[in-house]
Amino acid sequence: GESVGLHLPTLSVQEGDNSIINCAYSNSASDYFIWYKQESGKGPQFIIDIRSNMDKRQGQRVTVLLNKTVKHLSLQIAATQPGDSAVYFCAENITSMDSSYKLIFGSGTRLLVRP
Amino acid sequence: SAVISQKPSRDICQRGTSLTIQCQVDSQVTMMFWYRQQPGQSLTLIATANQGSEATYESGFVIDKFPISRPNLTFSTLTVSNMSPEDSSIYLCSVGGTSSYNEQFFGPGTRLTVL
Repeated sequence: GESVGLHLPTLSVQEGDNSIINCAYSNSASDYFIWYKQESGKGPQFIIDIRSNMDKRQGQRVTVLLNKTVKHLSLQIAATQPGDSAVYFCAENITSMDSSYKLIFGSGTRLLVRP
Repeated sequence: SAVISQKPSRDICQRGTSLTIQCQVDSQVTMMFWYRQQPGQSLTLIATANQGSEATYESGFVIDKFPISRPNLTFSTLTVSNMSPEDSSIYLCSVGGTSSYNEQFFGPGTRLTVL
């Protein structure tokens, strides 16, 4: 079935260290992936995306890696800051024949940044 | 990205009643979506709100329980009908982006508690 899962429900890192959040997906037809950050009491915030024809994309302090062979996605945050503390979700996009589309979300990882 | 607002931001309701949640976007968008996020959980797509036609519901969600309106390209409502405590969740609307990719941007959410 369609599912997206995460390996680590909670990740605790020291401020200044790099963080790596992992995600496994199951649908080989997924054509696009997004990482979201959700702070307490807020809606998910778009962080970075990657298309299925790419294996790496970099943003400001964030990098997303895609390995289609093993259906694995990761989010790397460089020099983690206290403001990075949040729950992170990966989401895979599935496009239908009629061009409609939808996102399937992973279970989420809580990132805790220790001062 | 578009600015998305939701009303109400939170509510406490009695079982058996209904609540209508509004989602307003500051620009015209083709795609609007409604999600549910149960406490401590990930996001689950309820339905795609189609402008000018009936919403497309995901498995496990039905129109009688979650009627949706989409009267124009900037507005949608989700009604949670005949509520029970199990409906206590955060309800989020999202909109599709304007690029050729299927990114989605989220509103702040409506936190619903059913007593």
